[in-house]
Amino acid sequence: DTGVSQDPRHKITKRGQNVTFRCDPISEHNRLYWYRQTLGQGPEFLTYFQNEAQLEKSRLLSDRFSAERPKGSFSTLEIQRTEQGDSAMYLCASTPGEAGFGYTFGSGTRLTVV
Amino acid sequence: QKEVEQDPGPLSVPEGAIVSLNCTYSNSAFQYFMWYRQYSRKGPELLMYTYSSGNKEDGRFTAQVDKSSKYISLFIRDSQPSDSATYLCAMSPSSGTYKYIFGTGTRLKVLA
Repeated sequence: DTGVSQDPRHKITKRGQNVTFRCDPISEHNRLYWYRQTLGQGPEFLTYFQNEAQLEKSRLLSDRFSAERPKGSFSTLEIQRTEQGDSAMYLCASTPGEAGFGYTFGSGTRLTVV
Repeated sequence: QKEVEQDPGPLSVPEGAIVSLNCTYSNSAFQYFMWYRQYSRKGPELLMYTYSSGNKEDGRFTAQVDKSSKYISLFIRDSQPSDSATYLCAMSPSSGTYKYIFGTGTRLKVLA
């Protein structure tokens, strides 16, 4: 296992279109996180899964955003009716259990909404 | 006021210099402190994590936590051009917490 994998690496979409990103965590990690990072800022928490259960969602995650983690394996993040303000790097991370030992992040999906 | 403050830089130093990167925070409940390195257009990479106050050393990197001052530092000795990146601090109140609060990151450039 080579780490957290995210696909695609870069997505350019027109305003109003729907996009979906995929994250494959490290296989033995039961916790999976989504963060968003805009230029010049640190990552901001979006949502968190323990196995297949989505346990927390940030207020940053509007109704246009939905995340799933079927069967506790890979996760998808979908953005409906994209807006220019959604342009950001979407980062996925995973941990084997407690978060006190640091996340392993993927390389991110960079979304550009034109 | 943000919970975690970090000078965005950029910080330019000559090769071989000792680099000091810092974060301050306001939430006294934070107990777990981490430093991440992020190269351009890549995900953050965990460098160091520390629990509570004290120092931790790993190769050329030393992390310090001063909880009484709500201040954490990362020192890089013998800095190399390959250390040029953005350094992010992150913290959480407990090991069971599912989310970290990140600083904005400090951009470091080590000049050859």
